[in-house]
Amino acid sequence: ETGVTQTPRHLVMGMTNKKSLKCEQHLGHNAMYWYKQSAKKPLELMFVYSLEERVENNSVPSRFSPECPNSSHLFLHLHTLQPEDSALYLCASSQDQDGTYVLRELFFGEGSRLTVL
Amino acid sequence: AQSVTQLDSHVSVSEGTPVLLRCNYSSSYSPSLFWYVQHPNKGLQLLLKYTSAATLVKGINGFEAEFKKSETSFHLTKPSAHMSDAAEYFCVVSDRDDKIIFGKGTRLHILP
Repeated sequence: ETGVTQTPRHLVMGMTNKKSLKCEQHLGHNAMYWYKQSAKKPLELMFVYSLEERVENNSVPSRFSPECPNSSHLFLHLHTLQPEDSALYLCASSQDQDGTYVLRELFFGEGSRLTVL
Repeated sequence: AQSVTQLDSHVSVSEGTPVLLRCNYSSSYSPSLFWYVQHPNKGLQLLLKYTSAATLVKGINGFEAEFKKSETSFHLTKPSAHMSDAAEYFCVVSDRDDKIIFGKGTRLHILP
């Protein structure tokens, strides 16, 4: 069983729907991440939360809205998406020990496969 | 600025033969380097990491990688491929610029 759990595993939504992706980590980590994985593209970092504060927002469109209510939970709220947003969305966590990325090992969930019609 | 290049998008080897997945990096500082593996419909799992200790790093499932500063390389190897090694492999670099950069991935195919 993975220490990072993502739900739902699969989601199909229309362009006018509002849905949310959920991530929960059971590892006691203090940093959480959302990544987007599209076919034939490198993994794209979307958001980073460290100690429940957003520390990075990689020019992600506002139709994606993250929420981190505590260090164990991370949400990605979806609204008015486009078909090109169809992808695998991966959540990860790490232990942020000294405020830098250098030694960070990422622990990934199994992803939420999103299809936008 | 840092970057990472995985030289092959696909590699095919026969079961029982050696595996070599190539990775070159560019970094302004002494980087940390990682290899992750992703099996179909799964998340990414850490195989091994280099963080300025020994240059030859051993990981899980018999994989290892050697950090070669002069060649700016961190190639992943395994002496004998197994069918269960079929997956996508990602080389990752991070340094004091505080970014984690993923390569585009190499899909490893194992032929029976």
